[in-house]
Amino acid sequence: AQKITQTQPGMFVQEKEAVTLDCTYDTSDPSYGLFWYKQPSSGEMIFLIYQGSYDQQNATEGRYSLNFQKARKSANLVISASQLGDSAMYFCAMRGGTSYGKLTFGQGTILTVHP
Amino acid sequence: KAGVTQTPRYLIKTRGQQVTLSCSPISGHRSVSWYQQTPGQGLQFLFEYFSETQRNKGNFPGRFSGRQFSNSRSEMNVSTLELGDSALYLCASTQGSPLDEQYFGPGTRLTVT
Repeated sequence: AQKITQTQPGMFVQEKEAVTLDCTYDTSDPSYGLFWYKQPSSGEMIFLIYQGSYDQQNATEGRYSLNFQKARKSANLVISASQLGDSAMYFCAMRGGTSYGKLTFGQGTILTVHP
Repeated sequence: KAGVTQTPRYLIKTRGQQVTLSCSPISGHRSVSWYQQTPGQGLQFLFEYFSETQRNKGNFPGRFSGRQFSNSRSEMNVSTLELGDSALYLCASTQGSPLDEQYFGPGTRLTVT
């Protein structure tokens, strides 16, 4: 079984500043993937970034980077140079190496970017 | 390349009715997963199909069912609708390996009255 914990119900950041959204996970699978998604008020789940458990380097995608600390079982999302359009709900999720199709999600963090 | 598409986008049904939702995956993706999102329970996995076979399922009653066609398009059906079935239903597709990136569609918002 997998479990994702996001301890920040809401976060505020000033435009152009960086922000870190926390995520810790628990799993007994030796191989797994960690994902971050953005969900604006429209409801669509937008894929942001992926980190495999055996990846040696932290994943980066444009302004998004994933701070992966395997020993601490954390996979924090860092958004650099925040923009007003980044205001949304952010979900951390994971899938075990044998969990076909099944993502386990955290409860989400609402990010608000102030001008 | 077109993304995941879902139809319809919005539905209003009455208790006791049944509903069918459709999902077309990204071209070349053979796995389709379905999720239910509610304010109280968050995002919950319903089931996953690959090459017309259900490979995984979540903890939902038998009123929730699905299928996948040879072109990888998938449908989910909810019979005997209950008020608690009101939710955003999301489908997602991958190429099929367990650790593939998973891309979501825009969702179908179902309201049961």
